[in-house]
Amino acid sequence: SQTIHQWPATLVQPVGSPLSLECTVEGTSNPNLYWYRQAAGRGLQLLFYSVGIGQISSEVPQNLSASRPQDRQFILSSKKLLLSDSGFYLCAWSVSGQGADTQYFGPGTRLTVL
Amino acid sequence: GNSVTQMEGPVTLSEEAFLTINCTYTATGYPSLFWYVQYPGEGLQLLLKATKADDKGSNKGFEATYRKETTSFHLEKGSVQVSDSAVYFCALSEVGSNYKLTFGKGTLLTVNP
Repeated sequence: SQTIHQWPATLVQPVGSPLSLECTVEGTSNPNLYWYRQAAGRGLQLLFYSVGIGQISSEVPQNLSASRPQDRQFILSSKKLLLSDSGFYLCAWSVSGQGADTQYFGPGTRLTVL
Repeated sequence: GNSVTQMEGPVTLSEEAFLTINCTYTATGYPSLFWYVQYPGEGLQLLLKATKADDKGSNKGFEATYRKETTSFHLEKGSVQVSDSAVYFCALSEVGSNYKLTFGKGTLLTVNP
């Protein structure tokens, strides 16, 4: 069966510091991968998605970036964090091709920027 | 563009009460529709889905029917439990948008014993 992991689970970082969040998927090949942010009291905002290694699409201009160095690894980064980057970051995957409409989410990373 | 509108919460019910959470959508084509549930401090779990008109998705006593004529996908449960307390998200996915999910804002459900 497929599983999705995110780490760290929680993170407290000062403003201006760098960020690296990691997401890995097991049990499937060539998944579509997604990064979402959930700010306090708000819905989910799609940040990035990837349909293959090195292929990243950005949905919202901001100081975050994403990379996909391996087939089942998706990384969210920032060079300098802002207060507004605080939130709950969720990674998701779906199969490619038929069934790609259904996304499965990881446990999330709670980021607090102070 | 696509959009999802779901009833604003919070919703507070007593155990064994009937639950309805309304969800309507706007899409350019023929989307798949989903309900996700988020328990406190956790990620989202897929609760149920429907991929075409008149399909009924069901899971754990929850049901929702894809109504194309009213562009709706209301979530229902006949008898809620305390363990159903969570935030519920309605969402749609469309092939023309690379299957990106469009979410509603979420509805917080609290069930009291």
